[in-house]
Order: sequence, then C-alpha cells, then structure tokens
Amino acid sequence: SAVISQKPSRDICQRGTSLTIQCQVDSQVTMMFWYRQQPGQSLTLIATANQGSEATYESGFVIDKFPISRPNLTFSTLTVSNMSPEDSSIYLCSVEYHQGTQYFGPGTRLLVL
Amino acid sequence: AQSVTQLDSQVPVFEEAPVELRCNYSSSVSVYLFWYVQYPNQGLQLLLKYLSGSTLVKGINGFEAEFNKSQTSFHLRKPSVHISDTAEYFCAVSESSSGYALNFGKGTSLLVTP
Repeated sequence: SAVISQKPSRDICQRGTSLTIQCQVDSQVTMMFWYRQQPGQSLTLIATANQGSEATYESGFVIDKFPISRPNLTFSTLTVSNMSPEDSSIYLCSVEYHQGTQYFGPGTRLLVL
Repeated sequence: AQSVTQLDSQVPVFEEAPVELRCNYSSSVSVYLFWYVQYPNQGLQLLLKYLSGSTLVKGINGFEAEFNKSQTSFHLRKPSVHISDTAEYFCAVSESSSGYALNFGKGTSLLVTP
C-alpha cells in the first residue's frame, strides 16, 4: 500500500474564495483520483488525474470549478473555486495500485460559510 | 457503468454477535469488488478486495466476503463483532473499461452496542 497525505486536513472558508488541496504520495503512481463526500453521503468521483495528461472529469464536475494539477507521479492538487456552502464536503484523493485497488488519503474537511 | 446497491443503510448489532452487510452490483463481464471502512472523522481504509480466484476473500480485522457471480453479490461478514467495529462500511466496484475508477454504494452504518 501507499502512504498518502493531504493538506490541509480541514479548513473553514468564506463563500466566493478558492481553496487548493494538496495530495502527496510516498511512491510513484500513474493514476490518482479525487472524490467528494458530501455530509452523510457516499463518495462521488470528481476526476481522474494521470500525470502528463489533462484530468478527466465526471458528469456534473467541470474544470473551471475544480481545476486539477498533476505535475509529477507523486503529487496532485485539486482547487475548489468560487466556493459556496454547497461545496462543504470531505475531499479525498486516492491512488490506484494493482488491478484497480485504490488507497485513500485522510481527506480534507471543508466548511464554506 | 456499474452500479452498487447496499441494501441496509443501518445495521444495529450487539457485541460478539455475527453480522452480514449486503452488497449487490450490476452485472458485467469482469469487475473488481472492494469493501472499505470509514471510522468517524477518518478517511477510507481498505478492508478486503476481490480481483480474481477464490470467491471467499479474507480481510483485516476478522472480516471476510464472498463473491457470488450468479447473484451478483459481495456480502461482508464477521462472525463476532466488537464495539470498535462501529463505523461506516462502503462497498465499491471498478472495471478496467472505466479506468479503474471506483463506483461506491451509499454505505451501511454498523452500530455495535454492548
């Protein structure tokens, strides 16, 4: 498995601002994913981030709202732009290992006021 | 795309009793199946996975699950639960055609009481 860290672990933000979440892995991985977990809900995939290519977004998520960077094989960022209270969620990154097995970071708990 | 149904949103159980958390998925030629656990205010931890081979898979913390292709099910079981097993449990499925992205069920909240 991998050791995955996320920064920040939690934040409280004002509406209209943006927050960038960092995801760091202790080994090189090809595929990284970003998920959102709204309060009391399951996880929903936001996008897949592969190094060297543009992120692939799921239906309902757009690059202008959730821009993603993947500069190397151990790091990725997700920005939540122009935030509203509806963006209050836990944001989790994950990495894919053998045959689709994914390991998750601890998550970033975001509250938008 | 695959869909996952967790039939029970909440499962209350007494300590040391057995438990089964149910999971069904939509049919596909080849899928990979996972159970994750989320303790309060924590991230997701992989409990166990089915990729291929033996249909009975054993995971951490005494949990096991059985892949049943004919019933498209992947139920999670533990013969004797502890208070510390209280958590949210998520069943998930992925397939290579979708780039191994995970599709999660809605989760089952397991509450273990003395």
